[in-house]
Amino acid sequence: ETGVTQTPRHLVMGMTNKKSLKCEQHLGHNAMYWYKQSAKKPLELMFVYSLEERVENNSVPSRFSPECPNSSHLFLHLHTLQPEDSALYLCASSLGLDTQYFGPGTRLTVL
Amino acid sequence: SQQGEEDPQALSIQEGENATMNCSYKTSINNLQWYRQNSGRGLVHLILIRSNEREKHSGRLRVTLDTSKKSSSLLITASRAADTASYFCATDHSGYSTLTFGKGTMLLVSP
Repeated sequence: ETGVTQTPRHLVMGMTNKKSLKCEQHLGHNAMYWYKQSAKKPLELMFVYSLEERVENNSVPSRFSPECPNSSHLFLHLHTLQPEDSALYLCASSLGLDTQYFGPGTRLTVL
Repeated sequence: SQQGEEDPQALSIQEGENATMNCSYKTSINNLQWYRQNSGRGLVHLILIRSNEREKHSGRLRVTLDTSKKSSSLLITASRAADTASYFCATDHSGYSTLTFGKGTMLLVSP
C-alpha cells in the first residue's frame, strides 16, 4: 500500500457514457498526477496539479477533464471516449519532485 | 525529448542470478529514480539517486549514476521469482515540473 487509493479499479464504459475516476491521498503531498499507460507505450503524463492548480496539460483531448477540489483528492471526468482510450489510468502524488507515490490504477475499457 | 531509455527492453534470468538494467537520458538531471511495476498495478518507488551521487544501495539493489555518460544502472543481486516485474527509470530535469519516465525493462525471473 502506497497511501494513494484509486476507485474504481476496473471500469467498462460505452462511448456515450460519462464516468469519473477518483484518486485520494492522505500523505500530505502537494502535487497530484494523472498518467495513462497503454500496452507497449511509455507512461504518458496527462495532468499535473500542484497546490490544487493545474500546471501542466500535455495536449490531452478535451474528453478527459481533471478536477482537483483539494490537495487530497483528484478526479478524472470521462465523456464520449474512444476505444483507443482503453488503458490503465494511474494516479500519483508527491511532495515536490522527489518520489512519486502511485495508486493501483483503474483499468478502463471503452467499448 | 528528455525521456529516458531503458536497456534491455526485456530480460530473462534464473533465480539467484543478478539482473542489470540500464537507463540513458539526454539532458542534465537533478535526480534519477527507479520504479517497479507488477503487471497491471501501480508503480512502486525503489530508489532515488541525486546528480551528485555516484552509487547507492538499498537491500539487494545497487544503483549507479554516471552523469558524464548520462546513464544509470540498476543491479538486482540474487534475484528471486518475486522480482519479476517491469522496471522504469524516471528523471528530474531542471526547468520541468514533472518526472520523465522511460519505457521500462521487463524482467522475468524463473524459479
